[in-house]
Amino acid sequence: SQKIEQNSEALNIQEGKTATLTCNYTNYSPAYLQWYRQDPGRGPVFLLLIRENEKEKRKERLKVTFDTTLKQSLFHITASQPADSATYLCALGGNNDMRFGAGTRLTVKP
Amino acid sequence: GAVVSQHPSWVICKSGTSVKIECRSLDFQATTMFWYRQFPKQSLMLMATSNEGSKATYEQGVEKDKFLINHASLTLSTLTVTSAHPEDSSFYICSASQGPSPLHFGNGTRLTVT
Repeated sequence: SQKIEQNSEALNIQEGKTATLTCNYTNYSPAYLQWYRQDPGRGPVFLLLIRENEKEKRKERLKVTFDTTLKQSLFHITASQPADSATYLCALGGNNDMRFGAGTRLTVKP
Repeated sequence: GAVVSQHPSWVICKSGTSVKIECRSLDFQATTMFWYRQFPKQSLMLMATSNEGSKATYEQGVEKDKFLINHASLTLSTLTVTSAHPEDSSFYICSASQGPSPLHFGNGTRLTVT
């Protein structure tokens, strides 16, 4: 069966450090992979999309890598800030079949 | 741009009653809308996918007669939880798509059934 696993339920880091979150998947061949941010009691907000033929994508302090051989994506937040504290979700699939990992709750301590 | 409005943001109802949740795309036409359910500290679970003007496609294990979805226009989809029970208490979130992703999400509806 298809599975999407995010490496840890919670990650605590110090302000200014780089946060690295992992998303592994099995029994998928996604055309693209996405990362979302979700704050408590709110809907997810889209951050980045990376296609299967792309190795890396950046947006400001965010960087995503996508390794289709390892079936893994890494999500990095550099120079982390307390405002980055949230749950981060990876998502796979297509227009009619978008599925999410359980999320990693990131806490950035000042 | 790409704002999705979900209403109400929270609702409390008595067991046995029905609750309707609305999802509107405010500044774009959504060819597809998705309904998710999320329990505390858990992932978004896809309940159903709806395309405007056609019947919704439900995920395995989701009762279509209990969770009625109507996608009447390109900007509005509704989810009705019929004969609600306490175990239906959850956070329901809709999202809308214009085509290739990303998805645009509403802010969710917290349903509490007493």
